[in-house]
This record gives sequence, C-alpha cells and structure tokens, in this order.
Amino acid sequence: GQQLNQSPQSMFIQEGEDVSMNCTSSSIFNTWLWYKQDPGEGPVLLIALYKAGELTSNGRLTAQFGITRKDSFLNISASIPSDVGIYFCAGQLEGDDKIIFGKGTRLHILP
Amino acid sequence: NAGVMQNPRHLVRRRGQEARLRCSPMKGHSHVYWYRQLPEEGLKFMVYLQKENIIDESGMPKERFSAEFPKEGPSILRIQQVVRGDSAAYFCASSPVRGGPETQYFGPGTRLLVL
Repeated sequence: GQQLNQSPQSMFIQEGEDVSMNCTSSSIFNTWLWYKQDPGEGPVLLIALYKAGELTSNGRLTAQFGITRKDSFLNISASIPSDVGIYFCAGQLEGDDKIIFGKGTRLHILP
Repeated sequence: NAGVMQNPRHLVRRRGQEARLRCSPMKGHSHVYWYRQLPEEGLKFMVYLQKENIIDESGMPKERFSAEFPKEGPSILRIQQVVRGDSAAYFCASSPVRGGPETQYFGPGTRLLVL
C-alpha cells in the first residue's frame, strides 16, 4: 500500500528551540495534512495544504506542500511544554476518501 | 456541539471473544471512517461508511471484521474471535461531507487489549 516516510522518528529538544520534521512519499498527493496526537486521544488537525508550493502558518506552526507534491515539512518555532506529543503527516490521493498517515514524530521537551 | 464519541474507551477481551466498538458521529455528520493504530505506528484506514452503506472497505481484514452504520444509532465495528494481533487503538472519524480530509474529525479512540 501507499507509504509515507516521516522523519525523525523522535526528537528531544530544549524548551524554546525550533523544531523541524518532514515527510516524503513515492506517490503524488492531492492534499497534505499535519496532525498532533496527545496520549490517550485521537489526532487533531493542525494544518491542511492543498496546492504544490503552498506555505501555511497556524500560530507558531508552519507547513509547506512540496513542489513535487511528494513531500511536506512542518516547523514549530519557540517550542513550549504543551508541544509535547506525536506529530503525524498524512495525505490524501486524488479521488480517494481515506487519509494515509505516516508513522509519526515523537516530540519530547527536556526540562 | 459535542465531538465524535467512542465507547468504550478501553476494552479487554480474551482470545476468541467478540469485540464491539461504537462510534457516534458529530451531529449532522453522515460519513464515518474507521482507522486502526498499532503501537508506535500511524493510523491505518479500515472502512468508510455512509448511512446504511459501506462505501470503501479496502482496509478491512477479509475475515472476522465487519462494520455497519445503521439509519439510527452509532456506527459499530465488530471483531469476531479476537486474536492478540487485534490489540490496537481503533479510531473513528466523522465528516458532514464526502471528500475534503480536513472535514474528518477524530474521536478519542477505543483501546482494545486481547489477552
């Protein structure tokens, strides 16, 4: 099946640092999405991207839809403790209903 | 407006028993999607239903798993004769329309443990 390769798998950072994570695919996606999942909860949508090259911000979060439509990145600036969690990239192929998820990046903030 | 509700939140079953997971979509949403998340993995699509119809079941295992979304009441994901490999978190998402993935709102999940 379709696969999204998300990296890094884990990140350990200090509070206040910037964070960058990315996702690549062998397929061309129509839509790229970034979610955050807190322990014991379902994923919550952070940013949705619809056009190649699109750069979208949501507060301290910025994400871009790659020009080739096969990749995307998410940046978090000035991290705070509540940023801890699992971040998933996800995509949707044209004409498809389902969302395909990456394996997640686990963000840890060191005290 | 209440979010997507799933129950139970945690379910323990012994091998061979049946598991029934329920999903109540958000008010006004007639589209339901079920996903499964294994430990340390992302969510994997299982099935997409619209009221009384299965639209896409390409992610459902061929045996033991079934899903329904009746005219009245919640959507049900049913797993018969559970095995240890069925242990996972099962999430449903609901949407008011077909199409835009940004319209899929996820519930808190049911964590199934098979002993």
